[in-house]
Amino acid sequence: NAGVMQNPRHLVRRRGQEARLRCSPMKGHSHVYWYRQLPEEGLKFMVYLQKENIIDESGMPKERFSAEFPKEGPSILRIQQVVRGDSAAYFCASSLSTAGQGPVAFFGQGTRLTVV
Amino acid sequence: GNSVTQMEGPVTLSEEAFLTINCTYTATGYPSLFWYVQYPGEGLQLLLKATKADDKGSNKGFEATYRKETTSFHLEKGSVQVSDSAVYFCALSSNFGNEKLTFGTGTRLTIIP
Repeated sequence: NAGVMQNPRHLVRRRGQEARLRCSPMKGHSHVYWYRQLPEEGLKFMVYLQKENIIDESGMPKERFSAEFPKEGPSILRIQQVVRGDSAAYFCASSLSTAGQGPVAFFGQGTRLTVV
Repeated sequence: GNSVTQMEGPVTLSEEAFLTINCTYTATGYPSLFWYVQYPGEGLQLLLKATKADDKGSNKGFEATYRKETTSFHLEKGSVQVSDSAVYFCALSSNFGNEKLTFGTGTRLTIIP
């Protein structure tokens, strides 16, 4: 049973380009979360998705960032017109909803985005 | 809103020393509590969890007890090894249908032989 798969592991973009980060959740998991980790900081929640639905995007910057989790295929975090401040590690997590028992999120290895 | 306050690092200990990393939280209701570990260049791995008051989570010699009266979830290990060197994150999740995690800032632990 493969874990959460993220690709690419490392991504370099020039300022103004677009970055696309992909996340395939664990088999059977229908909940996907994206987090951002700035250097020497903890993880900050960005967005929570279920298949074809954005459930909570309260942590997403208002501009340039978008996320989707289509019926088929991986979840995509898209950053348009990247700036140097977007350089960070972006982690995806997935979970199998177990209401009342407490969720357990499994994390991918992350995509390290560097904007030059 | 939810928040997690974690012991500042970095922490450096000798092998076989006793480890405590403090974690306190603020949350509405009855959250689930977690410790995650991040090894260099890797993602986060779940270390242990507790879902209700007085539960004790344990794994690989690490333990943490969910203390509702002190809103704490301190991580302990009786005898650390060099391989325990990593960054440790305390986190919580509410159980109201949105299971996003709120993390502490992380504590970098270095064990010297």
